[in-house]
Parts: sequence; C-alpha cells; structure tokens
Amino acid sequence: ETGVTQTPRHLVMGMTNKKSLKCEQHLGHNAMYWYKQSAKKPLELMFVYSLEERVENNSVPSRFSPECPNSSHLFLHLHTLQPEDSALYLCASSQDGTVNYGYTFGSGTRLTVV
Amino acid sequence: AQKITQTQPGMFVQEKEAVTLDCTYDTSDQSYGLFWYKQPSSGEMIFLIYQGSYDEQNATEGRYSLNFQKARKSANLVISASQLGDSAMYFCAMRGGNQAGTALIFGKGTTLSVSS
Repeated sequence: ETGVTQTPRHLVMGMTNKKSLKCEQHLGHNAMYWYKQSAKKPLELMFVYSLEERVENNSVPSRFSPECPNSSHLFLHLHTLQPEDSALYLCASSQDGTVNYGYTFGSGTRLTVV
Repeated sequence: AQKITQTQPGMFVQEKEAVTLDCTYDTSDQSYGLFWYKQPSSGEMIFLIYQGSYDEQNATEGRYSLNFQKARKSANLVISASQLGDSAMYFCAMRGGNQAGTALIFGKGTTLSVSS
C-alpha cells in the first residue's frame, strides 16, 4: 500500500465521546501534519511532527491530543469535543527541512460532532 | 511572517477556455517553494505543480503552468483548455526556510467552476 491513508473517512460523535483519527504513510517521509478545514475557512495547521517529535502546536485546545508513535503513524485523539469542531481533518506527510518538498495528503476524515 | 493571499473567492470559465488563478505571497526567506493543490468536493488534496524560488523557468505540468514573477511576489496558476473535471477548490501554498518543522502555509483558496 502506498500514499497516505486516513481512517475513518467519516465520523459522527457525541460531545462526551472519545475517538481517535488514524493516519498512516508508506512514503518514507520523516514529517507528518494535522490540518483542520472548516466550511468556508482556510486550512488551519494544528500539529507538526518531525522525526516523531512534536515541533509545533498551533494553540490547539487540549481536547485534541496528537500521538506519533513512529514515523509512519500519526493519531489524533479526540475527547469532549464541541459542535464547532465539526470539520474535515486532513493528515499529510513530507520530508522535513527542505522547501522543495510538498505534502502528500490523505483523503481526510469528515468529523461531525452532535 | 509568511503569508499567502488568494483574492478570488470564485472563478467561472467555460470548457476549453484558459483561466488564471491569482496568488501572491510574502516571505523574508530567500529560499522557498510555491505549490498549488486542487481539492475536489470529495475533500482530498491533489498536488498540481511546484515552483522553487531559484527556478528561472516557469514550471509546467501538462495543462497546468505557474506564472512566477519573483519581483512582484506572485505565483499564478494557469489552466489551459479547462475541463469539467477541473471544477474544484484550488489552493496556493508556500514553504519557506529549511529548518525542522517548517510547514506549508495555505491561502484561502479559489473555487473554480467550469461549465459546458
């Protein structure tokens, strides 16, 4: 399997639930990212992992908790979310430290918080 | 601070016509990369084309070309011979600096609608 795979594709959760989003890349990249895309808003960078170390946390509420156990896997743990957290969550991977390398994105998880 | 500006919320074009999507950027980095992505309604982000800040030639990939004007800090995407399948959201993005953790920053996007 190649590319970046995100699961699940769709998720509906209540505000008291705990769920996790999973992202897996088979491209040998050393950096992974979480972005949030709300309706009619630009992509918001949430977290950056480089060589499995978190290097950026863009003032994201603590109800979002990332985990990067190895360079191929990235998780986003969700708990006590709010309705305004409903969005498309995109995972991407890349080679870190070089400007001429873009991202490969997963297909995204459409999250609805009810 | 780095910034990407896309001033066209929506563009409309007929099949087989060419269309230009505007992008301007701001950065103090000497070395940076500029990217365009396409996002259909399905949500996936598809890489289209890349231009490096030191590249003297404009990048081309099939029907896509990037009109790079460094002095004006613009990186417009030109789609020749539009097709119905080109209807999507288009994002301009930039990556500057070579330090660890440097992420792509995106513009707000332009929605392109192609009609027959």
